[in-house]
Amino acid sequence: GQQLNQSPQSMFIQEGEDVSMNCTSSSIFNTWLWYKQDPGEGPVLLIALYKAGELTSNGRLTAQFGITRKDSFLNISASIPSDVGIYFCAGQLSTDSWGKLQFGAGTQVVVTP
Amino acid sequence: DGGITQSPKYLFRKEGQNVTLSCEQNLNHDAMYWYRQDPGQGLRLIYYSQIVNDFQKGDIAEGYSVSREKKESFPLTVTSAQKNPTAFYLCASSIAQNQPQHFGDGTRLSIL
Repeated sequence: GQQLNQSPQSMFIQEGEDVSMNCTSSSIFNTWLWYKQDPGEGPVLLIALYKAGELTSNGRLTAQFGITRKDSFLNISASIPSDVGIYFCAGQLSTDSWGKLQFGAGTQVVVTP
Repeated sequence: DGGITQSPKYLFRKEGQNVTLSCEQNLNHDAMYWYRQDPGQGLRLIYYSQIVNDFQKGDIAEGYSVSREKKESFPLTVTSAQKNPTAFYLCASSIAQNQPQHFGDGTRLSIL
């Protein structure tokens, strides 16, 4: 079953504001991934994290791999209307040799002008 | 353009009918996956395949079947045994296991 807790479930923000969301688990992960999904489309990979403590940026997006390897967060700075969508975290459990992904339930982001 | 192509975009199934969803990739990826997405939930793994002619059950394989006869193709059949098939189905691939997965644009399956 699902082992990732993603929060918040949804966010309503004004254009220009910063956004922060996170995923936590009681299990240890080897990899954290963050995806964005637009309505009716497949998720698009935003950032991949491979080491505890790693901080990676992709434009206005910044994500970190938690030191305990049980959590990760994603920040979006200076939000714009096209940031609207559902953001998913995903992780590969350290106990899974095949590397299957576990997904969070998603954070719905709505940006108002 | 390289990528993952899923077809059809929308599919309707009658009671007792099997339907097959297509997934093709030209990325030369070894690993392919099928997920099911329901509203308000994360993606759940149905089947995955590491190499040609090999595939494994995921977390919710009951009522589904797959084949991997070619590296670039991984079709999913939703059988009549799947009693709640209405969902958004996503295919993904990765260059190898343990590598980031990239997704197609999905197929939305509904029941008539």
